[in-house]
Amino acid sequence: SAVISQKPSRDICQRGTSLTIQCQVDSQVTMMFWYRQQPGQSLTLIATANQGSEATYESGFVIDKFPISRPNLTFSTLTVSNMSPEDSSIYLCSVVGTSGSPRAKNIQYFGAGTRLSVL
Amino acid sequence: GNSVTQMEGPVTLSEEAFLTINCTYTATGYPSLFWYVQYPGEGLQLLLKATKADDKGSNKGFEATYRKETTSFHLEKGSVQVSDSAVYFCAHSGGSNYKLTFGKGTLLTVNP
Repeated sequence: SAVISQKPSRDICQRGTSLTIQCQVDSQVTMMFWYRQQPGQSLTLIATANQGSEATYESGFVIDKFPISRPNLTFSTLTVSNMSPEDSSIYLCSVVGTSGSPRAKNIQYFGAGTRLSVL
Repeated sequence: GNSVTQMEGPVTLSEEAFLTINCTYTATGYPSLFWYVQYPGEGLQLLLKATKADDKGSNKGFEATYRKETTSFHLEKGSVQVSDSAVYFCAHSGGSNYKLTFGKGTLLTVNP
């Protein structure tokens, strides 16, 4: 399975500021995703992080609010811009495993998440 | 469209009780089905999966069977432990894009 490191693990921010979350994977992966988990809710896909090109955003999410970078096959960042209290959530990075046993391939693995509180 | 509906929680059980968490889905085609578990303060971990009809996924005593005719993937465990206390998410992915659609999650609390 892929080992995913997400930083920071948590943060408390003031409204109007921006936070950049990093996701580092221990192996090259093709697919990387960013999800949001609002308090007491399920996970919602924000976007697919594409290596070397603009991310693909889901309905309701826009690049100006959630800019994403993916400079290579092991690293991605998500920025939450101009934050408001409504952005308080857990943000999770996930990747699809492409190596290893057949049981490990094509499985989506998640980082531990970044717990963001906006005051 | 794609959706996942799972049993609303919270669910509270005594140790060694039988667990069922219901999950049904709507999807185009034949998605893969998953159960993920989120322990307190941690990220999501894959618990088990099934990729085609009648497949049974199993792990750590948990089981779920892919039922195409009822579009269901109910999670079961014969004897729960305190350490099973967590939030359980049912999910499916369709096609080749690997995007996951999640249910709302079910909080399970197991008391000694």
